[in-house]
Order: sequence, then C-alpha cells, then structure tokens
Amino acid sequence: DVKVTQSSRYLVKRTGEKVFLECVQDMDHENMFWYRQDPGLGLRLIYFSYDVKMKEKGDIPEGYSVSREKKERFSLILESASTNQTSMYLCASSFGGGANQPQHFGDGTRLSIL
Amino acid sequence: SQQGEEDPQALSIQEGENATMNCSYKTSINNLQWYRQNSGRGLVHLILIRSNEREKHSGRLRVTLDTSKKSSSLLITASRAADTASYFCATEHRGNMLTFGGGTRLMVKP
Repeated sequence: DVKVTQSSRYLVKRTGEKVFLECVQDMDHENMFWYRQDPGLGLRLIYFSYDVKMKEKGDIPEGYSVSREKKERFSLILESASTNQTSMYLCASSFGGGANQPQHFGDGTRLSIL
Repeated sequence: SQQGEEDPQALSIQEGENATMNCSYKTSINNLQWYRQNSGRGLVHLILIRSNEREKHSGRLRVTLDTSKKSSSLLITASRAADTASYFCATEHRGNMLTFGGGTRLMVKP
C-alpha cells in the first residue's frame, strides 16, 4: 500500500514565522501535490510537482513556496505565516504515467496561525 | 478555476438504505474520481471512471458518468454506519491535476 506521511498532525505557529510542512511518500511516485482544505471550499491546489526540482503553481500559490530536492519528499513553505493561512493542509502523490492515476493522500496537518 | 459541485451537501440515512450523491462539473474531463474522507483524516480514493465509460462498479459502490450532462453520481448500496464520512468528486482535466468539489457529508444511523 502507498504510504504518504505528513510530519505533523497538528501545528501552532505565530504570525510572521516561516513554517515548513513536510511530506514523504514511499512508492516512488513522480507527482506530488499540496492542497489546503477549508470548510465549504473543498480542496484547493496550492502547488504541484511532477519531478525532482520541478514545480507548478496551482490555484492558490500566493504566500506559499515549495521544495522538492528528492523524489520522495515535497515540502510546503509558508514564507511569512498569516492568520488566513490557518487551515488543514493535505499532501498527495500519484504515479506519473500520464492521466487516469488516483492520488494517495496523507492524513493532513491542521495548522493554526496565531 | 472550474470545480465539481456535489449535491446534496449533507445526507442522513438509516443503515441498510442506499445513498446517492451527485456531482456536476463545467468543462470536458479525462476522468472523474470519487474520494472518501473520514473525520480528521486524509482522502481515500474510491473509484475512477474515464470519460469514455458510462458506469463502473466496485463492491457496494456504483458510479455513473454522463458527459453530455457533465454529471456523475455515486451510489452506495446497503449502507453501513462505517460509511459515515464526507465524499468528494474530483475531475481531471489535464496531466494528473484534480479539481475537487465541496463534498457531501453522509451520516448513516445505526
């Protein structure tokens, strides 16, 4: 079974801090994703990576950056955390063989910015 | 960006009954996928239906896709209390990028 592991289930940070969310997958997947989930808004894609050192902006990249130095690890960075970034963050991965691939999700990080 | 819309937003049924959730989307797709999310957890992939397929089954799940109406339905037969969760449809438009709807919260009462 694919395992996607997010480093923290709960995280509390202060406004202005630089925040790192880490995600690791163990299935040698090419694609990795970061989403945020807010009540009533569903999941929204922040960033997407289809290979090491490659990234693409999703629907809401403002205030975020990402890093993918190794295939199995995809990091989401909040450059200067703000209260409107309080949310549930979900990481996912998928096989890179073109379309029609399901995504496999971690259990999420609930981030609170005070 | 385009987004799937689920209907209803919430559904409450008795154990043993069938649950039907609907999803509509706006533009052409490669496939449509359904995911389940238990409270406080990540999403779990349930089923994927390609744009050239009309119906697909997996255990107690039945998914239909009508590309002319840009809609899909997920039917869970003989529901169980353990089916209580949120269900999301997601559409793939290019590459492997998905656009998710807002979800249907299903409660199955024992």
